[in-house]
Amino acid sequence: KAGVTQTPRYLIKTRGQQVTLSCSPISGHRSVSWYQQTPGQGLQFLFEYFSETQRNKGNFPGRFSGRQFSNSRSEMNVSTLELGDSALYLCASASPGLGEQYFGPGTRLTVT
Amino acid sequence: AQKITQTQPGMFVQEKEAVTLDCTYDTSDPSYGLFWYKQPSSGEMIFLIYQGSYDQQNATEGRYSLNFQKARKSANLVISASQLGDSAMYFCAMRVSNAGNMLTFGGGTRLMVKP
Repeated sequence: KAGVTQTPRYLIKTRGQQVTLSCSPISGHRSVSWYQQTPGQGLQFLFEYFSETQRNKGNFPGRFSGRQFSNSRSEMNVSTLELGDSALYLCASASPGLGEQYFGPGTRLTVT
Repeated sequence: AQKITQTQPGMFVQEKEAVTLDCTYDTSDPSYGLFWYKQPSSGEMIFLIYQGSYDQQNATEGRYSLNFQKARKSANLVISASQLGDSAMYFCAMRVSNAGNMLTFGGGTRLMVKP
């Protein structure tokens, strides 16, 4: 069974630009969650999508948004990038009724 | 609100010895799950082990076991027979029943295995 995949793996953007990251969950998993990891703030929850609906949202500004498609693939978008958005962005997929959650390899975003 | 505390920023262990990584949690929700993840320098978060709050027995997965003490609100990870490849960051995380699959993470422990 294929694991969680994220694309792209690395990204360099300029302040003020926008970026879209993609996450494909494990086959059969309908929940996708996104996290931001920085040295200063650690791992912080961005949002969770389940069956194309946002189920939970973390404490991030509206510049951070996401969506989920009918095949459970998810995208997150960050508009008007700031230097502080430089981070490792991780997505996780989960199956209902099971405890485990599995992460993808992450997208490392650098904003210059 | 949920909180996870990992009090050991860094630890050394000799190869082939066992090591315990500490994790304490705080939640008022009676139904929750506890997770441990390993993060090597590559950045990927590798799932190690899961313990549900109603599980009667401590979880084990190969060399990993979770020492779950509900009354003390602790969920320590025990790694037996440490290997050089175990050197990494380790994160404890919690999910509560009324928050979907949202995970709250601790600050992590950097484990270094000495040959």
